[in-house]
Amino acid sequence: DSGVTQTPKHLITATGQRVTLRCSPRSGDLSVYWYQQSLDQGLQFLIQYYNGEERAKGNILERFSAQQFPDLHSELNLSSLELGDSALYFCASSVEGLAHNEQFFGPGTRLTVL
Amino acid sequence: AQSVTQLDSQVPVFEEAPVELRCNYSSSVSVYLFWYVQYPNQGLQLLLKYLSGSTLVKGINGFEAEFNKSQTSFHLRKPSVHISDTAEYFCAVSEGPSGGSYIPTFGRGTSLIVHP
Repeated sequence: DSGVTQTPKHLITATGQRVTLRCSPRSGDLSVYWYQQSLDQGLQFLIQYYNGEERAKGNILERFSAQQFPDLHSELNLSSLELGDSALYFCASSVEGLAHNEQFFGPGTRLTVL
Repeated sequence: AQSVTQLDSQVPVFEEAPVELRCNYSSSVSVYLFWYVQYPNQGLQLLLKYLSGSTLVKGINGFEAEFNKSQTSFHLRKPSVHISDTAEYFCAVSEGPSGGSYIPTFGRGTSLIVHP
């Protein structure tokens, strides 16, 4: 158990819909990362937050947005969903969000868009 | 910008045999290197990391890796694998102190399949 929790575990929805994925980081970790994992793209970095502020942005679509709240939990919002958004979405956390910090991954949310 | 190449997408091996999973990287600055493991239906967890110092790094579950700067490689090894080592293994690189990025780049992963 990494200490990172993600809800829900599975999500099935239809094209065009909007969903919210939630992540609680490990106790004491200030930084949260979101990743998308699919068979064809591998593990893609989406976005990083540190203590409530966006720190780095990766291959995140404009239809996707995220935020980190004062209690440090984070939410990833996916809107106007397309079939190609079906993937595993991982949240990870680290102490300071620096390059040498180990990341602790949650169990993931499996999103299926029908 | 850094990049990572995991040369084998799948490595089948028999139980108790040695294994090497290959990872090469490219970067214009010094790097930090990581190996993560993902067991079925789980998130990734850190096996080992190289930040500085000794180029031979020992990790959990009997794994070790060697940083080779001249060959820009960070291959993962285990002298004797178990069935329970069957998993996906990811190599990751992030820029060291002289770099400006906080984000590691992950390889595509190598599926280690251990047969009885």
